[in-house]
Amino acid sequence: DIQMTQSPSSLSASVGDRVTITCRASQSISSYLNWYQWKPGKAPKLLIYAASSLQSGVPSRFSGSGSGTDFTLTISSLQPEDFATYYCQQSYSIPRTFGQGTKVEIK
Amino acid sequence: QVQLQESGPGLVKPSETLSLTCTVSGGSVSSGSYYWTWSRQPPGKGLEWIGYIYNSGSTNYNPPLKSRVTISLDTSKNQFSLKLSSVTAADSAVYYCAREAYNYGSGYYYYMDVWGKGTTVTVSS
Repeated sequence: DIQMTQSPSSLSASVGDRVTITCRASQSISSYLNWYQWKPGKAPKLLIYAASSLQSGVPSRFSGSGSGTDFTLTISSLQPEDFATYYCQQSYSIPRTFGQGTKVEIK
Repeated sequence: QVQLQESGPGLVKPSETLSLTCTVSGGSVSSGSYYWTWSRQPPGKGLEWIGYIYNSGSTNYNPPLKSRVTISLDTSKNQFSLKLSSVTAADSAVYYCAREAYNYGSGYYYYMDVWGKGTTVTVSS
């Protein structure tokens, strides 16, 4: 199985901050990398697919980059509604695997 | 707009079979090129992909769970279901259903674009 490792596991930031979350795969996965936002009691939300493609309806302050084994999710200017947990997930192979999550908290 | 909703017992006894259903609204489980998936998250642990079923009925399961898992499709009810047999406390988790779609660029890029809110299942006597 492909192991996905996210860092940091949590971070504190203020509204307006630029936030970067990284995800590393245990082997090359080309650009087969997705990012999701998780909020308690809500359906998880797809933000980015294919490493850098913005899902329809997702604000442009979210962006993704990377290929091979190293990937980044960036929030250019953190908004109050962005405080949540973020997960990366590889779709290169079966079984699909997820990172352990990054919780973004209010500073 | 497609929506998914999980349903099923919140409490299951050890050694019994966990059964969950995901109801699809705003779309059909039998149309389009989608994979209908189940994942779970035990308390304090990471997300684990359980498996999926394609609208043709073909399935793929996570190997550690393969001997205990069945995912099926009910097109008449526009639902898909998860059965997990011989459960233990380790199967206690929030269970999520999702739709996996794909976009063809320089390859087939798969992603889970619609999710249910999740349902909590506790395995306890």
